[in-house]
Order: sequence, then C-alpha cells, then structure tokens
Amino acid sequence: AQTVTQSQPEMSVQEAETVTLSCTYDTSESNYYLFWYKQPPSRQMILVIRQEAYKQQNATENRFSVNFQKAAKSFSLKISDSQLGDTAMYFCAFMKPGGIGANSKLTFGKGITLSVRP
Amino acid sequence: NAGVTQTPKFRILKIGQSMTLQCTQDMNHNYMYWYRQDPGMGLKLIYYSVGAGITDKGEVPNGYNVSRSTTEDFPLRLELAAPSQTSVYFCASSYPPDRVHGYTFGSGTRLTVV
Repeated sequence: AQTVTQSQPEMSVQEAETVTLSCTYDTSESNYYLFWYKQPPSRQMILVIRQEAYKQQNATENRFSVNFQKAAKSFSLKISDSQLGDTAMYFCAFMKPGGIGANSKLTFGKGITLSVRP
Repeated sequence: NAGVTQTPKFRILKIGQSMTLQCTQDMNHNYMYWYRQDPGMGLKLIYYSVGAGITDKGEVPNGYNVSRSTTEDFPLRLELAAPSQTSVYFCASSYPPDRVHGYTFGSGTRLTVV
C-alpha cells in the first residue's frame, strides 16, 4: 500500500516571497502520478499541479513548480511570488495509474496549512 | 459546466438519525468517490464506484452505504448517525486512472452529529 507523508503541519511566508512545501511517499511502483491539491477556506479542493513519475522533467504551472526526486521519493511544491490568495491547506496525493478498484484511488497526505502574511 | 455538485453544504443530525448526501456530476466520468476529511487526518476513502451498478468499499466504509444507478449520481447514505461521523464529506469523479487528470471534487458537505 502507498503512503504519503507531509511532516510539516503549518508554514508561513511573507507575501511576494518563495515557499517550499515538502512531501514524501512510499511505494513499490515504478510508474505513478503525484498531485498537489489546494484547499482554501472555501473548502473547495483545487488541483494545483500534477507529475507523472516516468517524466524526469519537473512540472510547472505559472508560479507553482515541483521538485520531483524519484529515487528519494520526494515531491515538494514551490510557490514563487506568494500571494494572499495562496493561503490554504495543501495536500500531496499519490495515484497508481491503471489500477483497478481501490487501487485507482488517490492517497492523500495529512495536509499542510500555509499562511501568506501581508 | 457544473462539474461535481454536492448537497447539502451543511447539516446537523441527531444521533441515530439517517440522511443521504447527494452527489451528481455532468462530465460523464465513470469513476466516482466519497471521501471524508477529518482535521489533521487528510482525506480517507469511504466508497467508490467504477461505473453504474458497480460500487465497492474504501478504507472507512462502516456506517455508510452507497448506490450508483446512473453515471451521473452517487449518493452516500448514513444510517444511524454517530458522533464519529462528524466530518466534512467530499464527492469526486474522474476519468479512468490511466489518465493523469486527477479528480474533480465537489464543494463538500460539513456534517455535525450531536
């Protein structure tokens, strides 16, 4: 079974600065997908960025980028030029592609609360 | 383009009462899921469905039931509500997991059992 660990429960960053959120995972699979989801106070779960394990290039989406270290099983999220609207809980998640039934599910970490200070 | 719609957004139940959380999606996704979110615990899978007429248990199914009579709808039934079911519930849908699209989530239902 896969596990996802987010060891930092809370972080804080000054507006316009850069912050990195950590995530590690454990799996015996060689191909899989990794995701970061954002949950603002509105409670809506929003997909921020995704990474396919077979791709060595780190994914980027505007101010959001990842540092994917497959050998270390690490998948950190970097937010550049932090904005007040980035204040949210962030979840790291793992999925095994092509899984059947429960193996197709997203496995989530416990989340990290990010506060952006004005 | 509504995506995934959940109702109600909030609900207070008394111990022993029953209710159904509604979930509907308009993206023709075959896969649908119910998760619960508890503080500091992330999201845990309750039930999932891979298509109409097919459902199965996730990690924490006790106290819940589901049905999937259509592709669009995936209601979650709570029988004999207990305080341990106080949580935020999310419905989600997706394409088959061979595509790296992730899930589309509903806006959640905050349920309190008193």
